[in-house]
Amino acid sequence: EIVLTQSPATLSLSPGERATLSCRASQSVSNYLAWYQQKPGQAPRLLIYDASNRATGIPARFSGSGSGTDFTLTISSLEPEDFAVYYCHQRSNWPLTFGGGTKVEIK
Amino acid sequence: EVQLLESGGGLVQPGGSLRLSCAASGFTFQDYAMNWVRQAPGKGLEWVSGLSGSGRRTYNADSVKGRFTISRDNSKNTLYLQMNSLRDEDTAIYYCAKGLESYRNSGYDKSPFDYWGQGTLVTVSS
Repeated sequence: EIVLTQSPATLSLSPGERATLSCRASQSVSNYLAWYQQKPGQAPRLLIYDASNRATGIPARFSGSGSGTDFTLTISSLEPEDFAVYYCHQRSNWPLTFGGGTKVEIK
Repeated sequence: EVQLLESGGGLVQPGGSLRLSCAASGFTFQDYAMNWVRQAPGKGLEWVSGLSGSGRRTYNADSVKGRFTISRDNSKNTLYLQMNSLRDEDTAIYYCAKGLESYRNSGYDKSPFDYWGQGTLVTVSS
């Protein structure tokens, strides 16, 4: 099973700041990595798939990069609605797995 | 508009059974892989089961193998999860999730999830 490790666990930032979230895989997942955003009481929402492709309707301030084992989700300038938990997810191998999540909170 | 509506959750005793359903609309159901993902209270996401558009290929997490069965009825645009031998640690919100890519893409069984239902809560407790 591929283990995804996200860091940091919590990121405390102010609106307008840049957020950089990391996801590391225990073995290569090529570019088969996605990012999701989840707000309290809501289902997750797909942000990025295949490492760097924005999903439909996702603002350009969200970007993804990386390949192999190291990936990054960047939010260029945090909006109030961006404070949430973010999960990475690999679809390279069965079983599909998720990272433990990074909470982006208001500083 | 794509919609996924789960039902069937509730309180069940350890060792009991439950069947979840997910009614889909707004897309050609049989063309897409579907999955179940769960989230224990206050915890992260855990993929549970998935299956191809035809339903002929199924995949399960080790934690549910031999206990949970995923299936679909393409004539009814509905996804199911039959859960047997339930344990305390199966307590979670269960989401159904649609695959992003259609069957026209090789490897589409493992598509990321572009639409999710609102979830249904399963509580296993005596």
